[in-house]
Amino acid sequence: QKEVEQNSGPLSVPEGAIASLNCTYSDRGSQSFFWYRQYSGKSPELIMFIYSNGDKEDGRFTAQLNKASQYVSLLIRDSQPSDSATYLCAVIFWGGKLIFGQGTELSVKP
Amino acid sequence: DTEVTQTPKHLVMGMTNKKSLKCEQHMGHRAMYWYKQKAKKPPELMFVYSYEKLSINESVPSRFSPECPNSSLLNLHLHALQPEDSALYLCASSQEVAMGQETQYFGPGTRLLVL
Repeated sequence: QKEVEQNSGPLSVPEGAIASLNCTYSDRGSQSFFWYRQYSGKSPELIMFIYSNGDKEDGRFTAQLNKASQYVSLLIRDSQPSDSATYLCAVIFWGGKLIFGQGTELSVKP
Repeated sequence: DTEVTQTPKHLVMGMTNKKSLKCEQHMGHRAMYWYKQKAKKPPELMFVYSYEKLSINESVPSRFSPECPNSSLLNLHLHALQPEDSALYLCASSQEVAMGQETQYFGPGTRLLVL
């Protein structure tokens, strides 16, 4: 069973704080991990991808991957109200299928 | 440029209608995907095309019929849909279908309402 699990939230943080989003996955053989942002009524937009253990930074976003623990996270520094959206963790499983977690709803309060 | 376009943006159809959704990308990607997304749920994979051939069908009912006329275009033909098929239909593309490092880029979606 291919599974990607996220806390559904909602996660509420004040403006300027760090938002931490977490994700676990079931297939130890998975190699590719993605974070998408989805605003209400819109399509998913790629934020970050990560393939190697460790941290990957892009502007205010940092993705962290720990394959031994089958855990991937996304940190958003200096959160802004415009970051309020649903964040989808996605993992490519054997066979090339991209499987999404349920998504975490983030609310950044001014 | 990572643009995937989809038409129409919105579609309302009756259960006896036949309609088609269209998707186009000009990034030279050789893999294209259809997903279905219901409200408050994640996208669910329906079909995968690789080099214009259907490689994955996630047991989708036959009232949904995909077609890949060429490497840039992907259609989804709809016939005799049910109200529960109302959803956001998303097209995506990636450089290739691979078990490794292929990022999928999504189009804006077609919001379908079946009456």
